[in-house]
Amino acid sequence: QVQLVESGGGLVKPGGSLRLSCAASGFTFSDYYMSWIRQAPGKGLEWVSYISSSSSYTNYADSVKGRFTISRDNAKNSLYLQMNSLRAEDTAVYYCARGRAMVDYWGQGTLVTVSS
Amino acid sequence: QSALTQPASVSGSPGQSITISCTGTSSDVGGYNYVSWYQQHPGKAPKLMIYDVSNRPSGVSNRFSGSKSGNTASLTISGLQAEDEADYYCSSYTSSSTPNWVFGGGTKLTVL
Repeated sequence: QVQLVESGGGLVKPGGSLRLSCAASGFTFSDYYMSWIRQAPGKGLEWVSYISSSSSYTNYADSVKGRFTISRDNAKNSLYLQMNSLRAEDTAVYYCARGRAMVDYWGQGTLVTVSS
Repeated sequence: QSALTQPASVSGSPGQSITISCTGTSSDVGGYNYVSWYQQHPGKAPKLMIYDVSNRPSGVSNRFSGSKSGNTASLTISGLQAEDEADYYCSSYTSSSTPNWVFGGGTKLTVL
């Protein structure tokens, strides 16, 4: 069965960095676009970034452009999100998700807290 | 402020039908047939319920249906059940912002 397992979240000070990882299994990872979607505490969903199956195309929300970098390693069935210059407003649960037009599988999420 | 507008809350009694609206513009909902709906229970990851306006993924109850008219998409849940109580989010392709996909603000469904 399809599984997406995020890791790498935690508490970080403003201006700091974190790298999120997502381990995928149960499907041919290299066939799919992948996305990162976040949800601030008590708030709605926000699309952060997505990457094409071959990494040739990436796209970012304006709120993270220039600070976050999405990448993938198809040989390792893994998706990544490098987050730099973190701000308090980046505090959220970050979900790894399969797809773009329709996100049919989601991970359980990893919490990122940006606070001094 | 979300790009797509949803009512903050809707409610209904078991067995009834409810409809949740998702209003956008011609740059998103009205211009493309890439509207999806997600259900999220507290503390859980979202679940895809409808994609491409009106298609149901395998395993989703046929009590859930989607439609679109102009710049407004709708999710209808018929035969309301207690387990339908959750937050519901719409999503659409958009040509007016990056990363080209936007969510609505979410609607809390309460089953009375």
